[in-house]
Amino acid sequence: GAVVSQHPSRVICKSGTSVKIECRSLDFQATTMFWYRQFPKQSLMLMATSNEGSKATYEQGVEKDKFLINHASLTLSTLTVTSAHPEDSSFYICSARRTGAESYNSPLHFGNGTRLTVT
Amino acid sequence: ILNVEQSPQSLHVQEGDSTNFTCSFPSSNFYALHWYRWETAKSPEALFVMTLNGDEKKKGRISATLNTKEGYSYLYIKGSQPEDSATYLCAPPWGGNTPLVFGKGTRLSVIA
Repeated sequence: GAVVSQHPSRVICKSGTSVKIECRSLDFQATTMFWYRQFPKQSLMLMATSNEGSKATYEQGVEKDKFLINHASLTLSTLTVTSAHPEDSSFYICSARRTGAESYNSPLHFGNGTRLTVT
Repeated sequence: ILNVEQSPQSLHVQEGDSTNFTCSFPSSNFYALHWYRWETAKSPEALFVMTLNGDEKKKGRISATLNTKEGYSYLYIKGSQPEDSATYLCAPPWGGNTPLVFGKGTRLSVIA
């Protein structure tokens, strides 16, 4: 159990276009999902916390108008990279905790990630 | 922001060797420490969540210990196998119901 599906796994887009990444919890509900980004040889860096039915909480330095997050249901969060530029090329990965198991000692369940390349 | 350090960054061992690596984190205001295994082209998989000082957890050939007073955790793999090749990540949460802060990971390669 606790499967998270992330789509697409790989996307190449042109500079100035927008890209939407979906994160679905397949067999559990997730009130909270987390979006991370990883640059080469760096750690997973938290971008934002996605909350079902409310606005996402963005980390310092992450532009909320550029990285739009929507968490419209208990099983789906989306990250849209708007007006993408080559510097947005990165690996994006989502994770979720089961609703009702949001404490610090509950593990995160991850998607497979999305490799975004902006040309 | 929590500073999480993992060492070594990468490790190459022969099949059958035992190995261990370290995760260091701030010892103040400790809540828990998570360990994940991340195989290429797969999603990170939770190995352990540790909360108590002196805790030791085991899953097959993999075990982990925790020292919250000095702020470190060791992950041990006994008799490494090629399928153990992965990046091992540790992450403490900031606290409460908060996201995890990840180290850069230790990339383990087990050579048959």
